[in-house]
Amino acid sequence: QQQVKQSPQSLIVQKGGISIINCAYENTAFDYFPWYQQFPGKGPALLIAIRPDVSEKKEGRFTISFNKSAKQFSLHIMDSQPGDSATYFCAAFGGSARQLTFGSGTQLTVLP
Amino acid sequence: GAVVSQHPSWVICKSGTSVKIECRSLDFQATTMFWYRQFPKQSLMLMATSNEGSKATYEQGVEKDKFLINHASLTLSTLTVTSAHPEDSSFYICSARAVLAGTQYFGPGTRLTVL
Repeated sequence: QQQVKQSPQSLIVQKGGISIINCAYENTAFDYFPWYQQFPGKGPALLIAIRPDVSEKKEGRFTISFNKSAKQFSLHIMDSQPGDSATYFCAAFGGSARQLTFGSGTQLTVLP
Repeated sequence: GAVVSQHPSWVICKSGTSVKIECRSLDFQATTMFWYRQFPKQSLMLMATSNEGSKATYEQGVEKDKFLINHASLTLSTLTVTSAHPEDSSFYICSARAVLAGTQYFGPGTRLTVL
């Protein structure tokens, strides 16, 4: 019930391309869905987040698409840049535990 | 955005010694702080949740006597790894949740190496 499944595990994209990372959850009590970006040797940094009453949220080149009925959400990185190369984690918050449940992470590499 | 600091950023110690890691929320008050452990190329694993002024809640499989957590104020939590062994070597990350919002912010992490 608390799982968040993330795919793909790794992703290689050419500079200027679109990076898409997908997550699916099971617990319908989740009510907050953040994405974190983590560079090697650093802590995760909040990138963008969405609540289930919104189907899409855009901040600069980063967009979250949310499908409540399918219990899925995805991160789209437009015009991907080599500086975007990092590990991305989706997460979900809510339910009885009231703590973040993380996906397994996606290692993104953007080729110059 | 909100800032969470950790100190030290890295530490090397001998087996059997204890190591204390500090986590501070610099520009907001955090009623709840979290401690995570992360192995290379893996996701974050929650170790414990602490609320200011009360005992920490440990996740299943985490030894509370080995990983001592103190949340003394709304801006400071500490993790002490007692009698550290090489298998405790890992990347430890703290996180803080602001009082008035649900957003959770992470510290930069502490790399612990036990020789």
